[in-house]
Amino acid sequence: AQKVTQAQTEISVVEKEDVTLDCVYETRDTTYYLFWYKQPPSGELVFLIRRNSFDEQNEISGRYSWNFQKSTSSFNFTITASQVVDSAVYFCALIDGSARQLTFGSGTQLTVLP
Amino acid sequence: DSGVTQTPKHLITATGQRVTLRCSPRSGDLSVYWYQQSLDQGLQFLIQYYNGEERAKGNILERFSAQQFPDLHSELNLSSLELGDSALYFCASSHPGGGQTGNTIYFGEGSWLTVV
Repeated sequence: AQKVTQAQTEISVVEKEDVTLDCVYETRDTTYYLFWYKQPPSGELVFLIRRNSFDEQNEISGRYSWNFQKSTSSFNFTITASQVVDSAVYFCALIDGSARQLTFGSGTQLTVLP
Repeated sequence: DSGVTQTPKHLITATGQRVTLRCSPRSGDLSVYWYQQSLDQGLQFLIQYYNGEERAKGNILERFSAQQFPDLHSELNLSSLELGDSALYFCASSHPGGGQTGNTIYFGEGSWLTVV
């Protein structure tokens, strides 16, 4: 069975601070895929990144970066120089070879204060 | 814009009623998924269709049903509605291989259902 844990329920930072959102996953499969989605106050789920289990290379996209570590089963997400528009709920999700659907973590509510 | 279209965006209905939520997947996507997001349960997988056939079932109530039509659009039917069915219902789609092959699953904007 697959499981995703986002231990941080809420995080509040001041604009321009860096913030890291934690994600720990569980799976018995060697092939799996990890995702991050953003849910702004308007409600839609916006895809941010997909990473497969064979690619541990970290990724950077603008102010966003992701750190994937199989040794600790973690896929953490860092926002550098946060902005008010980054305020949203962020979900980490997993799909492995035996499941047919995404399993989501409980989400982290990020609030960026001006 | 993810390319997944859901209607209606908002819906208010009374207990005991039946509603239908509609979803048009992204062009070329054969897999459609339905998810329910409620405050107490988080994001829960309901059901998946692939090219018209049911492929996987999650925590979908018997009062709920879904189908995918030949043109690949999908409908989620919710009947005998209860207050607890109030939630945000998402439709998502992915390329032919589905999420298991690592294809990205794109979500629509959701349908807000309020049961009063």
